[in-house]
Amino acid sequence: GESVGLHLPTLSVQEGDNSIINCAYSNSASDYFIWYKQESGKGPQFIIDIRSNMDKRQGQRVTVLLNKTVKHLSLQIAATQPGDSAVYFCAENFPGRGDMRFGAGTRLTVKP
Amino acid sequence: EPEVTQTPSHQVTQMGQEVILRCVPISNHLYFYWYRQILGQKVEFLVSFYNNEISEKSEIFDDQFSVERPDGSNFTLKIRSTKLEDSAMYFCASSEASGVRETQYFGPGTRLLVL
Repeated sequence: GESVGLHLPTLSVQEGDNSIINCAYSNSASDYFIWYKQESGKGPQFIIDIRSNMDKRQGQRVTVLLNKTVKHLSLQIAATQPGDSAVYFCAENFPGRGDMRFGAGTRLTVKP
Repeated sequence: EPEVTQTPSHQVTQMGQEVILRCVPISNHLYFYWYRQILGQKVEFLVSFYNNEISEKSEIFDDQFSVERPDGSNFTLKIRSTKLEDSAMYFCASSEASGVRETQYFGPGTRLLVL
């Protein structure tokens, strides 16, 4: 079946380094994507979104890249900080559905 | 900044009992959702709600589940007869009225434990 998936379940980086979290999706009809951050015991927190008519979008210290050719989504975090430690989920939405389909999540650990 | 709130934060219940999880969506939002997350697993969609009726539901959302908007601010999820496998975090989310691809904002969740 079509689903959202993640390449790596865990990622450990040094404080100050840049982080890249990847996500593969297989539904070519998906046209809206969100990255969420989930800290322990909390709900998913919106980080950044991107629509399928774009290939890059930047926020504060975060950049999302969308490669529709290979159905790949990435989240780049610049100058990673300890507060960035969390599980990051990509989620997709495709026409005709109102829900977001979440991937399995990548746990990011930032070492001081 | 407006946020989605949920009560209670934790709920422990006996198998077979009914539970009601409550949510207050962001005030100008008109689309509401329930998701659940079993410990260590991904977030799964349960149901979406718009204009006082269910828009979509997943295969998880069987006859034991129901949703209601009893007044202008609350949105509830009821599980009629809880099972052990209903133990999970339940998240409410809401989005603005302008379409299903608007950003969904999540509440902090209710941790449900069925014994």
